[in-house]
Amino acid sequence: AQSVAQPEDQVNVAEGNPLTVKCTYSVSGNPYLFWYVQYPNRGLQFLLKYITGDNLVKGSYGFEAEFNKSQTSFHLKKPSALVSDSALYFCAVRDRNDYKLSFGAGTTVTVRA
Amino acid sequence: DAGVIQSPRHEVTEMGQEVTLRCKPISGHNSLFWYRQTMMRGLELLIYFNNNVPIDDSGMPEDRFSAKMPNASFSTLKIQPSEPRDSAVYFCASSDQGRGNTGELFFGEGSRLTVL
Repeated sequence: AQSVAQPEDQVNVAEGNPLTVKCTYSVSGNPYLFWYVQYPNRGLQFLLKYITGDNLVKGSYGFEAEFNKSQTSFHLKKPSALVSDSALYFCAVRDRNDYKLSFGAGTTVTVRA
Repeated sequence: DAGVIQSPRHEVTEMGQEVTLRCKPISGHNSLFWYRQTMMRGLELLIYFNNNVPIDDSGMPEDRFSAKMPNASFSTLKIQPSEPRDSAVYFCASSDQGRGNTGELFFGEGSRLTVL
C-alpha cells in the first residue's frame, strides 16, 4: 500500500519570503515522487519529480523539492514566493513497479502582497 | 501537442439524466485515468486504462458509472442515472507508462458536473 500525507491544509506567506509545503509518503518499494499545482478552475499541472540521483530536484517556476529517504519526506520549496504562486499543491507517490499514483489531500498556498 | 482535451467543461443536468464526459488523451500515451475531485473526498481514482483495456475499475462508485476506451485517442465516462451526489469535477489524465518512463500524469482541464 502507498499513501501521502500533507500535514498542512493551508500555508500563508508574504511575497518574497521562502515557501515550504510539506509532504511525507509511505510506499513498500522504491518511490517515484511528484508535485502538482492546481490553479482555480484548472487541471493539475506537473511541477517536478524525483526519480533517482540527486536528492534536490528542480522544477518549473523556480520550485524545488528535497527527497529525504530516512524521513520519507519530499518537501516542496521556493526561495522567494510570488503572489502568483497562490494555488493548491498536491504531492503524489508511485511505487516504481506500480501504475497507481496516490495523491495527498492538497495544501492551499496563499501568498500575500 | 494540445494536451489532454476534455468536454464538456461544464455540465448542468437534472437528477436521473444520463451524463457523458469525453476525453482525448495526449497522442502516444498508453495509459488513461479518470479522477473525480470533490471538496470532501479530494482526488479519487475512478478507473485506469492501459493500451485501451480497463485494468482497475475498483474506484468506480457503483453500477451507475461506466467508462469505455474504444481506441487510443478517445475515452468516455458515463453516469446513468445521475444523482446530486455525483456533482464534482471529473478529470481525465494520460501518461506514457512504457518501460523506462516515469509515468507522470498530464491532466485535462476537467469537466465540472452539477446534478440538480
